[in-house]
Amino acid sequence: DAGVTQSPTHLIKTRGQHVTLRCSPISGHKSVSWYQQVLGQGPQFIFQYYEKEERGRGNFPDRFSARQFPNYSSELNVNALLLGDSALYLCASSLIGGAETQYFGPGTRLLVL
Amino acid sequence: AQSVAQPEDQVNVAEGNPLTVKCTYSVSGNPYLFWYVQYPNRGLQFLLKYITGDNLVKGSYGFEAEFNKSQTSFHLKKPSALVSDSALYFCAVRDDTGGFKTIFGAGTRLFVKA
Repeated sequence: DAGVTQSPTHLIKTRGQHVTLRCSPISGHKSVSWYQQVLGQGPQFIFQYYEKEERGRGNFPDRFSARQFPNYSSELNVNALLLGDSALYLCASSLIGGAETQYFGPGTRLLVL
Repeated sequence: AQSVAQPEDQVNVAEGNPLTVKCTYSVSGNPYLFWYVQYPNRGLQFLLKYITGDNLVKGSYGFEAEFNKSQTSFHLKKPSALVSDSALYFCAVRDDTGGFKTIFGAGTRLFVKA
């Protein structure tokens, strides 16, 4: 079975632009979470979606938004990019949530210039 | 509030020796605890988890972890380290109060010397 896939793998943007990152979960998984990993730090929780509804949100500004589609894939949108948004963005999928193991994709590396 | 601490930025061990990577946590309810490993320019790979039951959990690649409720710890261990174990290790926690937020530690870099 295919694992979690993310696109694009790398992205370069300039300050003030908007970016959309995409994630396809493992087949059968209904929950998707997004994390931001800045170099040298652990992943920081951004959002979790389950059955197309937001179930959790981390301490990120409103510039960050996400959605989950009927096929359980997900998009993360970031508006008005700042230099500090440069990071590896990780998507993880799980069957539901709670105690379920999350399986991570390879990430999208975003560089904001 | 949930929190995870990995007190060591780096752990050095010789190949063949036992290794321990430390993790302590704080949650409101009962914890769900996870260990992940990250290789350079890669996503995170699941190693093992504790939900309930036996305090000693066995996982992938010969790793195991011991849950200690009184010390709120979940240390990762391996009896005999391999050079290929060199990577970045993350401890993570989620509680059972219904929230969907997973908190990761800052990570511990493991170096195994041949």
